[in-house]
Amino acid sequence: TQLLEQSPQFLSIQEGENLTVYCNSSSVFSSLQWYRQEPGEGPVLLVTVVTGGEVKKLKRLTFQFGDARKDSSLHITAAQPGDTGLYLCAGDTNAGKSTFGDGTTLTVKP
Amino acid sequence: KAGVTQTPRYLIKTRGQQVTLSCSPISGHRSVSWYQQTPGQGLQFLFEYFSETQRNKGNFPGRFSGRQFSNSRSEMNVSTLELGDSALYLCASSSRRGGYTFGSGTRLTVV
Repeated sequence: TQLLEQSPQFLSIQEGENLTVYCNSSSVFSSLQWYRQEPGEGPVLLVTVVTGGEVKKLKRLTFQFGDARKDSSLHITAAQPGDTGLYLCAGDTNAGKSTFGDGTTLTVKP
Repeated sequence: KAGVTQTPRYLIKTRGQQVTLSCSPISGHRSVSWYQQTPGQGLQFLFEYFSETQRNKGNFPGRFSGRQFSNSRSEMNVSTLELGDSALYLCASSSRRGGYTFGSGTRLTVV
C-alpha cells in the first residue's frame, strides 16, 4: 500500500515560472521531509516540517504541512534550471518508519 | 564533517551470486537505514539499524540482510541475486527521528 501520493509525477516548465507539487496521504505523520535528488546521487534533505499548518521557506522554495498532518506542498517561485531534479516527500509514522512517495520529476528549461 | 560514504559506487554481479554493500554514517550518527530505489517502485525501505540492533524492517525477502558494527558502520548483504535486484541501494544516517543524510548510493546491476 502506497501511503504517500505525489503529484504531478512529471513537470516540465520554463525558467521563471512558478510551480507547486503535492504530497498527499490518508495517514497522519509525526513529521514530513522534502528531498531533492539529482541523477546518480542520493536524495538531499531540503526541509522537515513537524507542526500541522507549519510553513517553512528556503529561498524561493515554500513548504507547507497540512493542518491534519496528512499532506504537504512544495511551491517554487521563479524556477531556475538548477531546480531540476526529483523531489521526494517522506513521512515519519509514530512507529518510527519513514515512507517515501514516488516523487515528482521536475525539469526547468532555460 | 564527512558525509555518508557508500562503497562500492558501482557493482555488476551475475544471477545467483551474493553481494555485500558497505555504509559509513556521519560521525556520531547511530541510526543507519537502507533503501532500494528503482524506477518502477521508487524508494523502498529495507531496514534500519540503531546501536547494532535492527530496529525496523521492510517487506523484503530473507535474501536481504544487514548488520551494524559497534562503530555504527553498516553492511547489507543480498544472497542468490536475481535480475530484479538491480537497483540503486541507498544508505542514510540520522541522529534523530525525521530527516536523513543519504550517501550517493551503490548502483547494483545483476546480469
